[in-house]
Amino acid sequence: EVQLVESGGGLVQPGGSLRLSCAGSGFTFSSYDLSWVRQAPGKGLEWVSGISGSGGSTYYADSVKGRFTISRDNSKNTLYLQMNSLRAEDTALYYCAKEGDAFDIWGQGTMVTVSS
Amino acid sequence: DIVMTQSPDSLAVSLGERATINCKSSQSVLYSSNNKNYLVWYQQKAGQPPKLLIYWASTRESGVPDRFSGSGSGTDFTLTISSLQAEDVAVYYCQQHYSTPYTFGQGTKLEIK
Repeated sequence: EVQLVESGGGLVQPGGSLRLSCAGSGFTFSSYDLSWVRQAPGKGLEWVSGISGSGGSTYYADSVKGRFTISRDNSKNTLYLQMNSLRAEDTALYYCAKEGDAFDIWGQGTMVTVSS
Repeated sequence: DIVMTQSPDSLAVSLGERATINCKSSQSVLYSSNNKNYLVWYQQKAGQPPKLLIYWASTRESGVPDRFSGSGSGTDFTLTISSLQAEDVAVYYCQQHYSTPYTFGQGTKLEIK
């Protein structure tokens, strides 16, 4: 079964840092681009960042550029999102998603709350 | 950035009736090299992650019931549910997968009348 499982969310103070992880299984991890998509409570979906299968190309939404860093370790079948300088508006459920010509597989998400 | 706009924001349809959701992109999402529209539809039920329904504007994902269909090209797209079932209550999102930053519509909440 193709599966993505996120972890690493939690409560963090404004200005703090957090690293999210996403473990993939059931598919050839290194062959697929992956993305992080977030959803603030009661709101819609926002693409945050994406990375190519090799990890050589990365992409960011303007809202997180310079603060978040996406990376992957294909030997561990794991995707990461390093989040620095967190703001209240970063509070959201963060999903990782596998890419084809769409986001075809989604994890269950990990919640990040930025609050003092 | 490509802006995606859905209409309506919410919709109430009787069981067995047709539901139609529209999505408009601020620029074409038609990739000329393969003549495919990089427009995607997702369904999100309460407390669940989004589920892929349709990609390339009209290709149904494996396992998606055939009452779901997508149409359109260029900048204007439609998701149609031909005969609404109770399990179709959800929020539906369109998304352009043409270029980064990938962008989503604001969502359409579909309820039973």
